[in-house]
Amino acid sequence: DAKTTQPNSMESNEEEPVHLPCNHSTISGTDYIHWYRQLPSQGPEYVIHGLTSNVNNRMASLAIAEDRKSSTLILHRATLRDAAVYYCILRDVGGQNFVFGPGTRLSVLP
Amino acid sequence: NAGVTQTPKFRVLKTGQSMTLLCAQDMNHEYMYWYRQDPGMGLRLIHYSVGEGTTAKGEVPDGYNVSRLKKQNFLLGLESAAPSQTSVYFCASSFAGIGSYPQHFGDGTRLSIL
Repeated sequence: DAKTTQPNSMESNEEEPVHLPCNHSTISGTDYIHWYRQLPSQGPEYVIHGLTSNVNNRMASLAIAEDRKSSTLILHRATLRDAAVYYCILRDVGGQNFVFGPGTRLSVLP
Repeated sequence: NAGVTQTPKFRVLKTGQSMTLLCAQDMNHEYMYWYRQDPGMGLRLIHYSVGEGTTAKGEVPDGYNVSRLKKQNFLLGLESAAPSQTSVYFCASSFAGIGSYPQHFGDGTRLSIL
């Protein structure tokens, strides 16, 4: 199974950009890279996903390395509401499983 | 739209009791999933369904059963609850196979087994 590696925690100041890294060196050619976040006492929330090209939406940007072995989720201006656990996930090669690792806990300081 | 709704939100059971968790989605999604999340950990897939009348095992299926009699509903059953099943349970749905489609999650059911 393709796995991801993320830092356990990161800190950011409010209104500054945040770059959340993810390594996925065993990614296969057809694996999509998904990012979700989980606020306290809530279910995971979809943030963004991509295959090869960089992607932008109203929440964030996703920068994918040319060799696809790493990616970075970019929050352009962190707010206190962005404090959450961020999960970088690859589609499981064998089927339907989303493999959730422990994620990165983002703290945003006022 | 309500999205994905889970019922109940909280429940306390005694060891050996049975119960059913209900997940309902109003997005006409084909795929539905049940996950569990233990403290400080990521989500683990219990069972999933790729359409009405279908079910399949995920990573941690033992002790659970599921049914998908209607497209919009996915039920998770515990026949004989055990303390090890104390967890937060999340239901999710997606339009199609997860490669290119996101999953939409409910807010969870917090289940304690005494």
